[in-house]
Amino acid sequence: SYVLTQPPSVSVAPGQTARITCGGNNIGSKSVHWYQQKPGQAPVLVVYDDSDRPSGIPERFSGSNSGNTAALTISRVEAGDEADYYCQVWDSSGDHPIFGGGTKLTVL
Amino acid sequence: EVQLVESGGGLVQPGGSLKLSCAASGFTFSGSAMHWVRQASGKGLEWVGRIRSKTNSYATTYVASVKGRFTISRDDSKNTAYLQMNSLKTEDTAVYYCTIASRLGGGYWFDPWGQGTLVTVSS
Repeated sequence: SYVLTQPPSVSVAPGQTARITCGGNNIGSKSVHWYQQKPGQAPVLVVYDDSDRPSGIPERFSGSNSGNTAALTISRVEAGDEADYYCQVWDSSGDHPIFGGGTKLTVL
Repeated sequence: EVQLVESGGGLVQPGGSLKLSCAASGFTFSGSAMHWVRQASGKGLEWVGRIRSKTNSYATTYVASVKGRFTISRDDSKNTAYLQMNSLKTEDTAVYYCTIASRLGGGYWFDPWGQGTLVTVSS
């Protein structure tokens, strides 16, 4: 079955740029979605269809997807961005979603 | 505003049963497929299953690990989806979320999510 691979952790200083990757075989041919989950809270959609942002999500959050790697980029990182981030695609053959293992973003 | 509120979680012994509810508001519930996703403590997100709308014959699909033990249903008159969990195992311990899937042409994404309800399977 299709597997999404994320780094377990990413660290970044405030004001810098964080890049969280999501690897998968030819993931560039799929639509990738990203969720932010803070401790004790439900996931929140921050990017859908590779690079679109839902209403209310800051422009600092952006996404890209090409080849075997998708990425979520957070510019001008703030302390409040510290959270777990998950990528997700839809497995059209199995008709079910697939989540990456998640990446813990630490703001130093 | 779209809102999803789960309830029904709690402590249950292995082999026991529990039924979760997901009360929905702010959108056309009857026309939407409803999904359940769970998350064990300190672990990632795992899709549990979904139920489609009446138009799609209320079709259900489940992850292999719960097939035959869990049943998703819905009552469109009450705008509520359910997750009936039988023969519970310790590995079913998790926070269970209900959510809605949407898409514009590509694959489905989930938004919004309920606040979750904790299910603990332990003796």
